[in-house]
Amino acid sequence: AQTVTQSQPEMSVQEAETVTLSCTYDTSESDYYLFWYKQPPSRQMILVIRQEAYKQQNATENRFSVNFQKAAKSFSLKISDSQLGDAAMYFCAYLDNNDMRFGAGTRLTVKP
Amino acid sequence: DSGVTQTPKHLITATGQRVTLRCSPRSGDLSVYWYQQSLDQGLQFLIQYYNGEERAKGNILERFSAQQFPDLHSELNLSSLELGDSALYFCASSVLGRANEQFFGPGTRLTVL
Repeated sequence: AQTVTQSQPEMSVQEAETVTLSCTYDTSESDYYLFWYKQPPSRQMILVIRQEAYKQQNATENRFSVNFQKAAKSFSLKISDSQLGDAAMYFCAYLDNNDMRFGAGTRLTVKP
Repeated sequence: DSGVTQTPKHLITATGQRVTLRCSPRSGDLSVYWYQQSLDQGLQFLIQYYNGEERAKGNILERFSAQQFPDLHSELNLSSLELGDSALYFCASSVLGRANEQFFGPGTRLTVL
């Protein structure tokens, strides 16, 4: 079974600074998708960014970007110019034809 | 607001009971997914339906079942409830397959006493 590991249960960043959240996954598939979801205190799950495994170019969405290393099975999320509203749980997720799995999450605190 | 609705918002019941959670997808979305989020196990994919038919199964217990109706709304049935079933149950929908963006509902908080 595919596993998704987020090795940082908690992270903290100063407002306006940059923070990187780590995610590694295990798979024998060559075609799959990776996602980062944000879950604020409201508990709503919000898609932050997605990456197709067949694309070499790292996905970017405004202040959010990923570092996708397919050979290393690593998918980290970089948040630039952190804002107070970025404070939330962040989940890394893996998807292929047969399965979708989430990591345990990283709680991000943003300090003013 | 994602456009996905779930009812009820909260549900408190006793062990051994049966409950039904309801989900209405966004207008036009054909796929519905169910997830369980508990404190000690994170978010787990349970099952997916596409246009009324089961498409994929995750870690769904035999005590749990789901279906998607012709109007595309979905129900998740949980029976013989145990204390460990207490969790937040999310429904999500997407236009087509799972590679598309999934829009999550607000969740149903189930407490089993």
